[in-house]
Amino acid sequence: DFQMTQSPSSLSASVGDRVIITCRASQSIDSHLHWYQQKPGKAPTLLIHMTSTLYSGVPSRFRGSGSGTEFTLTISGLQPEDFATYFCQGSHSTQSRFGQGTKLETK
Amino acid sequence: QVRVVQSGPEVKKPGASVKVSCQTSGYIFSHYGITWVRQAPGQGLEWMGWISGYNANTNLAQKFQGRVTMTTDTSTNTAYMELMNLRPDDTAMYFCAREGPTGPLVFDVWGQGTMITVSS
Repeated sequence: DFQMTQSPSSLSASVGDRVIITCRASQSIDSHLHWYQQKPGKAPTLLIHMTSTLYSGVPSRFRGSGSGTEFTLTISGLQPEDFATYFCQGSHSTQSRFGQGTKLETK
Repeated sequence: QVRVVQSGPEVKKPGASVKVSCQTSGYIFSHYGITWVRQAPGQGLEWMGWISGYNANTNLAQKFQGRVTMTTDTSTNTAYMELMNLRPDDTAMYFCAREGPTGPLVFDVWGQGTMITVSS
């Protein structure tokens, strides 16, 4: 049973900053790593799928990278609407797991 | 456009069961699966399992095997998740989401969530 470990659990930043969120899988998940954004009281929304492909309509300031067991989400030039919680999600065979989440707050 | 609409909130007593519906529209239901994810208050996302829109095959997280049943009704393009023997720690927002064309177990359109409260 694989696990996903995401860090940090919270992050303080300012508009215009660059932030990096990391996600680690307990075993190789190839490129089956996806990122979601969730705002309070709302359902998550898909940002990036298969490690690095931006979902339709997602701004190019979001970038995903990695492979195997180590993955990152980079947000460059933070905008006010980016302050939210981010979750990674990994899949291996027929199973899936989410990371614990990273809450991105205004400094 | 693709829409996913869930049933309303429920309050249940411990030991009871609850069945949540997830009605879809705007795409061919049999082409994609539906996943279920829950989120306890103030907590992270927990993947519960997946059901095929084509043949109703399911893959459940081990934690929920024996306590969760996932089904579909292709005549109404609706998926269902039934959770049995409810406990207070099952209190959570339950989401369904479509596994879309972006890849296996990638969830591109989400329902609004259904709050399930378990309390005596």
